[in-house]
Amino acid sequence: DAGVIQSPRHEVTEMGQEVTLRCKPISGHNSLFWYRQTMMRGLELLIYFNNNVPIDDSGMPEDRFSAKMPNASFSTLKIQPSEPRDSAVYFCASSPIGHTQYFGPGTRLTVL
Amino acid sequence: TQLLEQSPQFLSIQEGENLTVYCNSSSVFSSLQWYRQEPGEGPVLLVTVVTGGEVKKLKRLTFQFGDARKDSSLHITAAQPGDTGLYLCAGAFGNEKLTFGTGTRLTIIP
Repeated sequence: DAGVIQSPRHEVTEMGQEVTLRCKPISGHNSLFWYRQTMMRGLELLIYFNNNVPIDDSGMPEDRFSAKMPNASFSTLKIQPSEPRDSAVYFCASSPIGHTQYFGPGTRLTVL
Repeated sequence: TQLLEQSPQFLSIQEGENLTVYCNSSSVFSSLQWYRQEPGEGPVLLVTVVTGGEVKKLKRLTFQFGDARKDSSLHITAAQPGDTGLYLCAGAFGNEKLTFGTGTRLTIIP
């Protein structure tokens, strides 16, 4: 079975540009999570969805960040406008009922 | 805000040695997980502990959950280069949201 799929794997953009990260969760999983990982702050939860509904977005740093889950097999995380401090690795994870989370390979974002 | 502190932050040891890393919180977990992350990949679940005092073994890895469910440890026996990676603990506090620890970056020298 395919695991969590994220695209792109790497993104380099200039400050002020819009960035869209994509995630396809494991089929049948009810929950989807977006994380950001940096050396300074570690792995931080940004937002999570349950049955396509956003449950907790308290980790979303600013209004520049938004996330959607239009259906059970797709989610996006958008940053507009992007800033250099947004540079990080962004992970998507999905979970069936319970706490076990399965992570994707991540998107390494660099904002110049 | 629940914080999970892991120690040590970095650890570099010779192949064949034993080691223990720790995960501590001031809050009580409903359950705790350990993940390992290798460069360029996402974290992968190693184990989940739920009951205070619980001990789980995964080959050369032994995981222990504190009696009060506020702390946990991971002990590796006879470390091998394949054990190299970032070890993360993650606590659940009653819902499906996980709070991740600060991580221990382990390097095993052949």
